[in-house]
Amino acid sequence: DAGVIQSPRHEVTEMGQEVTLRCKPISGHNSLFWYRQTMMRGLELLIYFNNNVPIDDSGMPEDRFSAKMPNASFSTLKIQPSEPRDSAVYFCASSLVGGGSTDTQYFGPGTRLTVL
Amino acid sequence: SQQGEEDPQALSIQEGENATMNCSYKTSINNLQWYRQNSGRGLVHLILIRSNEREKHSGRLRVTLDTSKKSSSLLITASRAADTASYFCATRSNFGNEKLTFGTGTRLTIIP
Repeated sequence: DAGVIQSPRHEVTEMGQEVTLRCKPISGHNSLFWYRQTMMRGLELLIYFNNNVPIDDSGMPEDRFSAKMPNASFSTLKIQPSEPRDSAVYFCASSLVGGGSTDTQYFGPGTRLTVL
Repeated sequence: SQQGEEDPQALSIQEGENATMNCSYKTSINNLQWYRQNSGRGLVHLILIRSNEREKHSGRLRVTLDTSKKSSSLLITASRAADTASYFCATRSNFGNEKLTFGTGTRLTIIP
């Protein structure tokens, strides 16, 4: 299995531009999580999906952030418009939840976003 | 606020020594997990302990859980240079949904 795949690995953009981060979870997993990691705030859960449905988006910082999961093998996190304070590493993770599974999360390599 | 708080924030030890990291949390949990993050990489799951377990082993790792004190410890025995990384505890609450709440992490440096 290729693991969780994220793209791009690095993104540098200018303030005000739209940024789209992409994630392909591990095949067969039913839950997908988006996290943001910064030195100041640590690892924060932004949103998570179960069976492609958003379950908890309480961590989404503001309306500039949106996430979708159109099918079981793809999710996007969009920031529009981007701001310098959005600079961070964004991780996607997937897991198999329920049915006696351990809900261990498998993380992708992350996207390092820099907003100038 | 963070559910899990690790201490120490940073730890440096000589190769071959044992490393102990602690995690405290605030609410009732279903399970507690430990993850490792190498610099510039994603987190990797190490071990999970359920709320009805007190101790668990996996290779050189030993995890303990004290639900009365709402705390856990991770022991890495016979440390190696490759163990240099940040270590995070994560808790799954007994209430609500399946999300994990991660702590602030311990930065472990193994000195060769």
